[in-house]
Amino acid sequence: GESVGLHLPTLSVQEGDNSIINCAYSNSASDYFIWYKQESGKGPQFIIDIRSNMDKRQGQRVTVLLNKTVKHLSLQIAATQPGDSAVYFCAAFSGGYQKVTFGTGTKLQVIP
Amino acid sequence: DVKVTQSSRYLVKRTGEKVFLECVQDMDHENMFWYRQDPGLGLRLIYFSYDVKMKEKGDIPEGYSVSREKKERFSLILESASTNQTSMYLCASSLEGAGNEKLFFGSGTQLSVL
Repeated sequence: GESVGLHLPTLSVQEGDNSIINCAYSNSASDYFIWYKQESGKGPQFIIDIRSNMDKRQGQRVTVLLNKTVKHLSLQIAATQPGDSAVYFCAAFSGGYQKVTFGTGTKLQVIP
Repeated sequence: DVKVTQSSRYLVKRTGEKVFLECVQDMDHENMFWYRQDPGLGLRLIYFSYDVKMKEKGDIPEGYSVSREKKERFSLILESASTNQTSMYLCASSLEGAGNEKLFFGSGTQLSVL
């Protein structure tokens, strides 16, 4: 069946360094992807999205890279700050209300 | 600022109890969703609704029902709670046409069934 996995359950990064969080998806029909940030005690928040006709999209301090060949996407956070500490997970969509698979999440810990 | 409010942050119930989880959104969104979130698993869709009085089963509807009597309110009902329903429950909403993209989530209800 479909799965969306993350390469590392926990990532520790020094404040000021760049962070890279990875996600692999299995459904080649997935055509839209979202990265969410979930802080402790809060619901997930949209960070950035990318459609399958793109391979890179940049936001404020965040960049998402999509490699459809190997079904992999990554979230890069520049100059990681303590406020970036959270669980990050990806979601892969293949159209329609139900056709979304959420990843299990990577916990990003920022070391001051 | 958009807001999805879940009535309880933490809830402890006993096996066999009927449990109501309430969710209210103030964004006039047509679509509302209930997910559960468990360690090591991604969010899993329980039920969703794209209009008042309309509901559709998600991936794991067994043991749950929902109610959408008003556009802003979407309730999740556990008819007879069981220990395997101990989980974090997340409500979300989105605009018509957005489907489950552009979801706005509530803060979640951590339900423990003893």
